[in-house]
Amino acid sequence: EDQVTQSPEALRLQEGESSSLNCSYTVSGLRGLFWYRQDPGKGPEFLFTLYSAGEEKEKERLKATLTKKESFLHITAPKPEDSATYLCAVGSGGGADGLTFGKGTHLIIQP
Amino acid sequence: SQTIHQWPATLVQPVGSPLSLECTVEGTSNPNLYWYRQAAGRGLQLLFYSVGIGQISSEVPQNLSASRPQDRQFILSSKKLLLSDSGFYLCAWRLSNEKLFFGSGTQLSVL
Repeated sequence: EDQVTQSPEALRLQEGESSSLNCSYTVSGLRGLFWYRQDPGKGPEFLFTLYSAGEEKEKERLKATLTKKESFLHITAPKPEDSATYLCAVGSGGGADGLTFGKGTHLIIQP
Repeated sequence: SQTIHQWPATLVQPVGSPLSLECTVEGTSNPNLYWYRQAAGRGLQLLFYSVGIGQISSEVPQNLSASRPQDRQFILSSKKLLLSDSGFYLCAWRLSNEKLFFGSGTQLSVL
């Protein structure tokens, strides 16, 4: 059974204070590690897909990295609008049976 | 471009009443379709997925059912709601092993 564990559960940062979110996973045959952003009362919004160890993706102040056991979402000089819940998910097997999600990290950026 | 529509956005229902949530996808053919539920502190839980018309797979035993009467239509139903059915319901679609695209969600409160 695929498992995804995210840490910390919540993180409060000052504006401009860089940090990293962790996603540890166990999966039989990784077919993608996905990061999403979710704002309150809305559906998750796709950020990145990583497929193999060593891969990195960047978008504005966010950078995602992947190893064989975990992924990190690095946030550089965050702004208040980066406040959201960040979800990590893995895909495996044939792909039809969806993604397995972690519980998320609730990030608050204080001005 | 592809879009996903999910309604209603908010629903308050008494215990024992029926439920019908609808989701439609535009701009793609033969997508895999999914229903997830998000409860406080539990993360996203996959409820049902479908790889084609009339084909439904259930991930967990529950009080809910799903149907796919058309290629791009996915319906979540219940004959009698329980208090434990409360939560944020999300419809999503994907092609093969690609990323999931989510709808805007339905906040269901069973009282």
